[in-house]
Amino acid sequence: AQSVTQLDSHVSVSEGTPVLLRCNYSSSYSPSLFWYVQHPNKGLQLLLKYTSAATLVKGINGFEAEFKKSETSFHLTKPSAHMSDAAEYFCVVSDLRAGNMLTFGGGTRLMVKP
Amino acid sequence: NAGVTQTPKFQVLKTGQSMTLQCAQDMNHEYMSWYRQDPGMGLRLIHYSVGAGITDQGEVPNGYNVSRSTTEDFPLRLLSAAPSQTSVYFCASSLEGEGQGYEQYFGPGTRLTVT
Repeated sequence: AQSVTQLDSHVSVSEGTPVLLRCNYSSSYSPSLFWYVQHPNKGLQLLLKYTSAATLVKGINGFEAEFKKSETSFHLTKPSAHMSDAAEYFCVVSDLRAGNMLTFGGGTRLMVKP
Repeated sequence: NAGVTQTPKFQVLKTGQSMTLQCAQDMNHEYMSWYRQDPGMGLRLIHYSVGAGITDQGEVPNGYNVSRSTTEDFPLRLLSAAPSQTSVYFCASSLEGEGQGYEQYFGPGTRLTVT
């Protein structure tokens, strides 16, 4: 069975400082990994995805994530936070042999202070 | 393109009532799915469809029915609403099945309260 653990339910940073949202996954096979963002009262939007190509993945709005198989991690980073980055972020795993079902982490709420 | 649309945006039901949440997409996507979002639990898959006439169960299907008569529409029916079904419901679509590197496009959600 596959699972996703987002290690922090809330993260607070100051505008202009780096962002780190942590994600660990468990999968029996070679997974695909995604980060989605949800702004208040909105649907989810894809930030970036890893599908067994380059381990460092660049996404929209300056976000990137690194797939580390040895650590079973897929942490999301951004060098400098903007106020508009305040939202909830979901790490998602999918496995071809698990029927491609998406498994979501519990989410991390990012707060950005002026 | 309107993308994925959902109606209604908000709904309050009494226990035992039934209703249908509507979902439509205009991107000609074959794959559509329904999720529920509960605090601290991310999104959980209820039902999905890989094309017109084909549906299957996800992680939490009990109490819900779906059908897919057209490529565009994928309604979710609550047969007899229970307070445990209070949640935010999202519909999503993609070109291919979940997780094959294809982006899921999500609707804006329906906030359902069952009293």
